Amino acid sequence: NAGVMQNPRHLVRRRGQEARLRCSPMKGHSHVYWYRQLPEEGLKFMVYLQKENIIDESGMPKERFSAEFPKEGPSILRIQQVVRGDSAAYFCASSRTGQGAVNTEAFFGQGTRLTVV
Amino acid sequence: SQQGEEDPQALSIQEGENATMNCSYKTSINNLQWYRQNSGRGLVHLILIRSNEREKHSGRLRVTLDTSKKSSSLLITASRAADTASYFCATSTGNQFYFGTGTSLTVIP
Repeated sequence: NAGVMQNPRHLVRRRGQEARLRCSPMKGHSHVYWYRQLPEEGLKFMVYLQKENIIDESGMPKERFSAEFPKEGPSILRIQQVVRGDSAAYFCASSRTGQGAVNTEAFFGQGTRLTVV
Repeated sequence: SQQGEEDPQALSIQEGENATMNCSYKTSINNLQWYRQNSGRGLVHLILIRSNEREKHSGRLRVTLDTSKKSSSLLITASRAADTASYFCATSTGNQFYFGTGTSLTVIP
């Protein structure tokens, strides 16, 4: 059973370009979470999605950022018109049950390291 | 903020010693989880402790949870050089996991 797969592992974009980060959850997992980690810092929650639905996007910037988790295919985190401050590691996690469940465990991917030049 | 806070921020010990790191949080939780992150890598899930549990073991790991003090501790016994990593606690409540800034553990061979 493959773990959470993120691609690409490294992504370099020029300022103003778009960045698309992909996340394939573990088999049987329908809950996906995106986190951002700046160097030497902890993870900051961005968005929580279930299949075709955004459940909680309270951590996502209102502009330029969007996320989706279609019925078929991976979850996509999209950053439009990237700026230097978007440079970070973006981690995706998935779980079988939602975060509200007492036994929910989230499993993380290896992350995508975005560098904006 | 609900964000967990780990203490200490950095810890350096000799191989074979025990390492203890602490996590404090602010509001009620469903569970608390500890993760390890090796430099430049993703997070590895270590252990989950539910809000109605007080202690849990997994191999060389021992986790305690004190909901009255809103704190948890992670003990790694007989540390090894391979334990060198950052350790994060994550509290689960509602729709989110809240992560602290982590404890950076260095185990010196």
